[in-house]
Amino acid sequence: EPEVTQTPSHQVTQMGQEVILRCVPISNHLYFYWYRQILGQKVEFLVSFYNNEISEKSEIFDDQFSVERPDGSNFTLKIRSTKLEDSAMYFCASTSGRGNQPQHFGDGTRLSIL
Amino acid sequence: AQSVTQPDIHITVSEGASLELRCNYSYGATPYLFWYVQSPGQGLQLLLKYFSGDTLVQGIKGFEAEFKRSQSSFNLRKPSVHWSDAAEYFCAVYYGGSQGNLIFGKGTKLSVKP
Repeated sequence: EPEVTQTPSHQVTQMGQEVILRCVPISNHLYFYWYRQILGQKVEFLVSFYNNEISEKSEIFDDQFSVERPDGSNFTLKIRSTKLEDSAMYFCASTSGRGNQPQHFGDGTRLSIL
Repeated sequence: AQSVTQPDIHITVSEGASLELRCNYSYGATPYLFWYVQSPGQGLQLLLKYFSGDTLVQGIKGFEAEFKRSQSSFNLRKPSVHWSDAAEYFCAVYYGGSQGNLIFGKGTKLSVKP
């Protein structure tokens, strides 16, 4: 069964540094998402991406965040200048249909900011 | 604001016992409902989904869930729990009108005792 893959599984970064989290969605999917889960808290929506542009973003997704689909397969989340509070598990998800099809999640990238 | 409530933070059941995890959602015209499971260090795996039709839906690993519109609930059940079911379970809802971003509950951690 096709999977969403995320790399790296764990990223440790100094505060203030830029970090890029990578995702390869399922190949025939059209809608892409990033979520984050701070330790012990619920999974929160960050951003959705469709047709090569952001379609929706939450209040968490401020100017420090950006997403890109640089080629036909990768979907990246960039944090420009990381803060301690960015430490979390970041999940990528994809689906073939908005809302009415289930989202498939990757195993996540654990981001630790020192 | 639209929300999803999982009132039980942590549940412990004996192996072989039945299980019910509760989920309530705030009112939405056409909610699409999902249950995901997260094993330690893993991503989110879809257990089952409800879009329309029969209110009792079957999922993987012997799980089922019942949609009750009058109670705004979508409780997850399993008749006989196995030790491998120990994990965290998340209820999620798509309310429509957006690009498909899910709203998650805070999760219920399930422990299974021998």
